[in-house]
Amino acid sequence: EAGVAQSPRYKIIEKRQSVAFWCNPISGHATLYWYQQILGQGPKLLIQFQNNGVVDDSQLPKDRFSAERLKGVDSTLKIQPAKLEDSAVYLCASSLTDRGYGYTFGSGTRLTVV
Amino acid sequence: GNSVTQMEGPVTLSEEAFLTINCTYTATGYPSLFWYVQYPGEGLQLLLKATKADDKGSNKGFEATYRKETTSFHLEKGSVQVSDSAVYFCALSTGSQGNLIFGKGTKLSVKP
Repeated sequence: EAGVAQSPRYKIIEKRQSVAFWCNPISGHATLYWYQQILGQGPKLLIQFQNNGVVDDSQLPKDRFSAERLKGVDSTLKIQPAKLEDSAVYLCASSLTDRGYGYTFGSGTRLTVV
Repeated sequence: GNSVTQMEGPVTLSEEAFLTINCTYTATGYPSLFWYVQYPGEGLQLLLKATKADDKGSNKGFEATYRKETTSFHLEKGSVQVSDSAVYFCALSTGSQGNLIFGKGTKLSVKP
């Protein structure tokens, strides 16, 4: 089966600019996650969707980050305006259930804010 | 709150050496435990998992046993290969929503 697709692979922007990342999960996977992985750290959950509803966005910096999942399939994550500390790899993952396993991760988008 | 602590890296071993990467956790309830691996230039992949106490997860020669009494899930392999060079992440899920909580990762380098 096809994996989780993410684009772009790399993005370099200046601080205060905006950026958007796209994720296409595995077909039929109801649960979609966005994680932020800062260099030298483990991934940290930003937001979790179940179909097109938000399950958990408690760690999403809502003053600058937003995410949506249209029609319960593709998802976009936006940062506006970006800060230097947003430099990280943004990982999308999907799973059939919300039981914590059966995840498939995408390859991620590496964001550098200069 | 829930958290995972794993040993600092990097870890450098010679081929065929024995590997242990320590992982301990703090969690309410009965979490599921995981080891994920990230090979250079690739995405995170599930290496193995255990969903209840005393379960042993295993895959590709790697093993880890869920020890509730010591809140640990140490990763072991009897004989590492150069191809095992990667970053290894210990993680837990409490199952209430399924999101994963990761440790900081341990980079393993295996020399021929």
